[in-house]
Parts: sequence; structure tokens; C-alpha cells
Amino acid sequence: NAGVTQTPKFQVLKTGQSMTLQCAQDMNHEYMSWYRQDPGMGLRLIHYSVGAGITDQGEVPNGYNVSRSTTEDFPLRLLSAAPSQTSVYFCASSSLGRVAVGGEQFFGPGTRLTVL
Amino acid sequence: AQSVTQLDSHVSVSEGTPVLLRCNYSSSYSPSLFWYVQHPNKGLQLLLKYTSAATLVKGINGFEAEFKKSETSFHLTKPSAHMSDAAEYFCVVSEDPYNQGGKLIFGQGTELSVKP
Repeated sequence: NAGVTQTPKFQVLKTGQSMTLQCAQDMNHEYMSWYRQDPGMGLRLIHYSVGAGITDQGEVPNGYNVSRSTTEDFPLRLLSAAPSQTSVYFCASSSLGRVAVGGEQFFGPGTRLTVL
Repeated sequence: AQSVTQLDSHVSVSEGTPVLLRCNYSSSYSPSLFWYVQHPNKGLQLLLKYTSAATLVKGINGFEAEFKKSETSFHLTKPSAHMSDAAEYFCVVSEDPYNQGGKLIFGQGTELSVKP
């Protein structure tokens, strides 16, 4: 069981470039989400999905797109990167049953993104 | 709305002395509460969780936390710090499960330093 995996680990972009952050899980979790971590602010929810074909916005969705074509994968797309998107991005997953009762989520190792 | 406040941004202890990381929360519902730990350049690992069972919760690596509803607190403690405990610790509350957004509300984080 690899758990939640994220690629790449590090990325440097120029303003205006686009890229996709990959997230995959092998636990058959229906629920997946993306968070960004900024100093002194904890983690904030960007987008989430409760199953293949279903996505919704979190707290800070602007500038990011997501799709969920399979249960295993939940990529995060930056369409036109901005310096304000410099952050560490974490993907998380859990079962819907666990989420429904306020249970824990399982996090990937993170992607550190710098936008110049 | 739910919120989490970690009362110290940085705590420094000597090896072998007790650790206390403080967390207060606000919630209109019976909350689920968690402590996650993040070692440098690593992902987030669940330390322990409270989900309305016993108010004293034991976690991994000798950590425990006590849920005190009257004080709306969920402080993390460990009797004797080890060098390997140096990390950032996040107190987390699960948003109203009926919302089904699965959103986790993170505190700002407490960085724990352990001196030899």
C-alpha cells in the first residue's frame, strides 16, 4: 500500500505558466482533496471530490482547476501560475464513511511549488 | 463557524522534560478533533484523534490529548520530550459532517523545538 502519492516533489514555474500537480491513492477512497499550506496559516482547502466525476470548491479555489475521472487520481491544475500560488500543496484522501462522521484524512508528502 | 486557535506559534523544551501544546476550538456541533505532526519537509501524520468517545485520547509516540468541552480545549501533552519530537504540530477540527464537504479546519501550527 503506497497510500497517497504526489508528484512532483518540487517545482519552479514562471508567472503565467501552467502545470498539473498529480495525486494518486491506492486505498479505494471516494473522498479526495487538495490543500495549500502557507506560513502561519495552517492548511486551507482548495478543491475536493466525493467520487469520480464529482468535484466542488473549497475555501480558496481561485486559480485552480480539478477533475476526477478515476477513483485513484485527483490532479490539480494551475492554468496561469501567479507568485501568490507559491506554496506547499497537499493532497488528502479518506473514505466517505469516515468523512461523514468527521473522521481523519490521509495526507500525501506534498509538492513544494515556487512561482517566480 | 468552526475555528481552531493554537495558542503558541513556537514551543521550546529540553529533552526529557514535558511537552504541552495548547489548542482551543470553537464549534457549534460535537466536534471531531485531531492532532497532526509534520516533520521537516515531510507530509502530515495523524498523531491522535477524538471522536466523542473517551475524553483522554492516546496517540502514537507517547502523545496524548484531553478533550475538555467546558474549556473548549484539546491540548497535546507528552511526559518526556525526545529529540525526534521536533516538528510542527497542527490542531485540526472536522467541519460539520452534515456539510459533507469534509473540510478540515487547521490551526496555525506550533513549532516544537527540543534542546539536548
